[in-house]
Amino acid sequence: QVQLVQSGAEVKKPGSSVKVSCKASGGTFSSYAINWVRQAPGQGLEWMGGIIPMFGTAKYAQRFQGRVTIIADESTSTAYMELSSLISEDTAVYYCARAFSTYSGSCFDYWGQGTLVTVSS
Amino acid sequence: DIQMTQSPSSLSASVGDRVTITCRASQSISSYLNWYQQKPGKAPKLLIYAASTLQSGVPSRFSGSGSGTDFTLTISSLQPEDLATYYCQQSYSTPPVTFGGGTKVEIK
Repeated sequence: QVQLVQSGAEVKKPGSSVKVSCKASGGTFSSYAINWVRQAPGQGLEWMGGIIPMFGTAKYAQRFQGRVTIIADESTSTAYMELSSLISEDTAVYYCARAFSTYSGSCFDYWGQGTLVTVSS
Repeated sequence: DIQMTQSPSSLSASVGDRVTITCRASQSISSYLNWYQQKPGKAPKLLIYAASTLQSGVPSRFSGSGSGTDFTLTISSLQPEDLATYYCQQSYSTPPVTFGGGTKVEIK
């Protein structure tokens, strides 16, 4: 059974950076894309970007370009998402999710438990 | 970017009712449409992929239909445990992956 376990909650100051980890177990880490999706309090789901570990190149949503970095460490089956220049509006729960390819695109079949990042002075 | 619009944004129904949620894409996405259920305080859970294929372990009262721009998620007989927010998501044209705004389902 695939499991994605994320790092714990963080409290950050405006202007700082946060790095969230997502450790996978129970599956083949390298060949599935790991994506990051965030959810601000009371709001919907927002895709930030993703990476296929075996290829190592990440893709990002335009609105986060230049502020987000997603990497994957195949040796530890862990993906990381770093968000810099934090502002209060970045306060959200951040999820990692595995992308599964189907005959009609891909879907997110396994999710981490979420990491609450609070940005406050 | 492809915009996904869900309606209604919220609904209230009784146990046993048939519930229908719609999702409209800003352009044709063939059948590249997935549905998720998110219970309060929990991570989203995949319900349906490729517009109509039920994810393993999901109760058969959930079903999906549609193609092109218009899609529907149906709960044939609403149960108390179906209290949740439901999201559609397209994977036709990425990046970016885009989600609908969500439909909150409440039990009367």
